[in-house]
Amino acid sequence: GAGVSQSPSNKVTEKGKDVELRCDPISGHTALYWYRQRLGQGLEFLIYFQGNSAPDKSGLPSDRFSAERTGESVSTLTIQRTQQEDSAVYLCASSPRQVYNEQFFGPGTRLTVL
Amino acid sequence: AQSVAQPEDQVNVAEGNPLTVKCTYSVSGNPYLFWYVQYPNRGLQFLLKYITGDNLVKGSYGFEAEFNKSQTSFHLKKPSALVSDSALYFCAVHNFNKFYFGSGTKLNVKP
Repeated sequence: GAGVSQSPSNKVTEKGKDVELRCDPISGHTALYWYRQRLGQGLEFLIYFQGNSAPDKSGLPSDRFSAERTGESVSTLTIQRTQQEDSAVYLCASSPRQVYNEQFFGPGTRLTVL
Repeated sequence: AQSVAQPEDQVNVAEGNPLTVKCTYSVSGNPYLFWYVQYPNRGLQFLLKYITGDNLVKGSYGFEAEFNKSQTSFHLKKPSALVSDSALYFCAVHNFNKFYFGSGTKLNVKP
């Protein structure tokens, strides 16, 4: 079946504009994660969704960042009033319901804030 | 606090030689450990995981990793490296519904 997909693959925006990134997880995967990967660095956890439970937002770096997920399907990550330091690759991953299953990653969205 | 350390930014090996990519961790409770690989211009792919049981786990592409509780380590190994193994490798620990990733180690395998 299809893997995790993300759109757009690349996004160039001007400082101060809002952006919305989309993630389509693998069908049936109840867990969904967003990460940020700055150039040459590791993955930084942003937010975690598990089914209909309240999301774990503890990794969101500021109130400019927010994310939503509709049930167990699509998720959107929104960054308001983008700053140059927001430039990074944003990765989405999904995982089955069972605990401690590996994550399946999407190809990422490369965000460049000018 | 949960954390993962990959002490080497880069590892260079010759093709055919054994390789080791190091990972140490700090978690409360039992660790659930993972290795992922990121090939150039591609997404992260799962390699292997340790949940419980045998300390030596085998994964994709001939990789294996050894869980060492006393040293809090989970080093990735392969007996004979291939040029195609050149990529960025990430160690991760899963704890309380979150994954904590190391900073990554770039593996360069030279022909």
